[in-house]
Amino acid sequence: NAGVTQTPKFQVLKTGQSMTLQCAQDMNHNSMYWYRQDPGMGLRLIYYSASEGTTDKGEVPNGYNVSRLNKREFSLRLESAAPSQTSVYFCASSEKYQPQHFGDGTRLSIL
Amino acid sequence: AQSVTQLGSHVSVSEGALVLLRCNYSSSVPPYLFWYVQYPNQGLQLLLKYTSAATLVKGINGFEAEFKKSETSFHLTKPSAHMSDAAEYFCAVPRGSQGNLIFGKGTKLSVKP
Repeated sequence: NAGVTQTPKFQVLKTGQSMTLQCAQDMNHNSMYWYRQDPGMGLRLIYYSASEGTTDKGEVPNGYNVSRLNKREFSLRLESAAPSQTSVYFCASSEKYQPQHFGDGTRLSIL
Repeated sequence: AQSVTQLGSHVSVSEGALVLLRCNYSSSVPPYLFWYVQYPNQGLQLLLKYTSAATLVKGINGFEAEFKKSETSFHLTKPSAHMSDAAEYFCAVPRGSQGNLIFGKGTKLSVKP
């Protein structure tokens, strides 16, 4: 009964370091999403993948890259972390026009 | 372009009082609308979904929402607040043909004993 699993749950980085946030879903959904959540800003879409093999930019893609590794997995990479990327990151999955299912988030601090 | 506005970033009610959280969409009638709830340190969970089959939609935990085209609104209500309702609530509308969602900035609900 896992749904959407995100790893790690917490991470502290130094400015300039790189890291990859992992996301996996077990609901056989075609679409997957990466959001960031900042206080007072709601959720903002970073990247999404409408189906295996495709990725597209969302509202705030700068400084991020993604990989849709297979139908289950969708990773988010920060190549050179900046303090402005301190945030809570959520992965979600869904079928088109259906409700999105969210993971519990990755809390990322960049010093 | 579609957008969604949630009026009031914080709402405080007493236990047992009516809960009203406001959501307005900006553009053409959306084919569907969602309300999500987020408890502390958790991801978002679906509360309810509007799909044009009925203007009054019932969700989990006693919440419901009414779609009003004339007011471009989809407000969330609950007749009697419970302490466990304290959370942040988000309204979401579709962005375009890909099925992406636009989220409102959220309303944090506090429930006083």
